Amino acid sequence: GDSVTQMEGPVTLSEEAFLTINCTYTATGYPSLFWYVQYPGEGLQLLLKATKADDKGSNKGFEATYRKETTSFHLEKGSVQVSDSAVYFCALTPRGGSNYKLTFGKGTLLTVNP
Amino acid sequence: NAGVTQTPKFQVLKTGQSMTLQCAQDMNHEYMSWYRQDPGMGLRLIHYSVGAGITDQGEVPNGYNVSRSTTEDFPLRLLSAAPSQTSVYFCASRSSAGESYEQYFGPGTRLTVT
Repeated sequence: GDSVTQMEGPVTLSEEAFLTINCTYTATGYPSLFWYVQYPGEGLQLLLKATKADDKGSNKGFEATYRKETTSFHLEKGSVQVSDSAVYFCALTPRGGSNYKLTFGKGTLLTVNP
Repeated sequence: NAGVTQTPKFQVLKTGQSMTLQCAQDMNHEYMSWYRQDPGMGLRLIHYSVGAGITDQGEVPNGYNVSRSTTEDFPLRLLSAAPSQTSVYFCASRSSAGESYEQYFGPGTRLTVT
């Protein structure tokens, strides 16, 4: 079945550091890929998405590129802020019959210190 | 637009009690889902619905019932609460149109079963 593997962390960085959170997936065909963010005590918000190979999703300074050849969707940000402290989830939705569901990675806790 | 709303925000139950978690959306989305979030497990699909009157099981359906009598509402029922159901529950919805498959999440219900 479909699966998502992401680095589990926790990840602790200083403000203005570079961030990478790795995400790889297993799925048939060309799933849609997502990064969701969960701030403390809140629900999940969509951070960015990509729907086909080589697409780059971007939002709030975060970027991720859909790499079909390596089945990856790594999240990057050039300069993190304290306000980026949150849990980040990589997820996919397959095309076709099971496109009602999201398959999530286990989440990566990011803490950014001033 | 309120988006996806969930009530209650917090709930404590004793083992064996039953209760209903409410979920509503005002975006006229056909697809609705319930997920549970447990530490180190990411989010797992409990039940889903692709339209009024149509529901089906996800990965972890045991101990839960759902129904979908209207497009807007998708309640989750715990039949006889167990400590293993202590979790944070999220409701999500999305449109069946388009190919981005983006899901919108509610703020969550934190349930403790003692």
